[in-house]
Amino acid sequence: QKEVEQDPGPLSVPEGAIVSLNCTYSNSAFQYFMWYRQYSRKGPELLMYTYSSGNKEDGRFTAQVDKSSKYISLFIRDSQPSDSATYLCAMSAGNYGGATNKLIFGTGTLLAVQP
Amino acid sequence: DSGVTQTPKHLITATGQRVTLRCSPRSGDLSVYWYQQSLDQGLQFLIQYYNGEERAKGNILERFSAQQFPDLHSELNLSSLELGDSALYFCASSGPGSRTQYFGPGTRLLVL
Repeated sequence: QKEVEQDPGPLSVPEGAIVSLNCTYSNSAFQYFMWYRQYSRKGPELLMYTYSSGNKEDGRFTAQVDKSSKYISLFIRDSQPSDSATYLCAMSAGNYGGATNKLIFGTGTLLAVQP
Repeated sequence: DSGVTQTPKHLITATGQRVTLRCSPRSGDLSVYWYQQSLDQGLQFLIQYYNGEERAKGNILERFSAQQFPDLHSELNLSSLELGDSALYFCASSGPGSRTQYFGPGTRLLVL
């Protein structure tokens, strides 16, 4: 079983829709949670960063972390064709228990927003 | 633009050869991370350096090695290349005490 599970999609939605992307994880030591957006043949771009449980909002993006369920989500409101990309969740235990700050990634969800 | 630079952008080589990938972190960042992205394995952590010292190793093959220089740029050396080493190789950097990592544009390696 992978430490981080993410539905690979593809997910196709009409422009203006609310998009929900999710990841589950098994390692309870994870404390730092990130969402990256990756366009084809480009490097991952950091979208959202959350520490521990809770919600964080930035413009059209909202990240949620539920550590009790080991479940994180990214919501995109008023989705645009320019949001079409692969979305990767990533998490880290930081330096907890001697762990490093390495990121463990989900496999990514391919999102297509249709005009 | 994340501020992390990587060269070359593309590399085509033959099996058995050796290549060197280069990464310059964002100004002020002391940590450099190397990741490999392949279709079947996704993004996998390879190795981390902090201010010139190796900090952590992940799924890095013995044929691969890395170092970080006094000016903080880093190089990833891949030797005795195999077809299966074809992948995107990303470098990321983070600042002191920061948990967020910023990725470079990557080097696309094709081994023929």
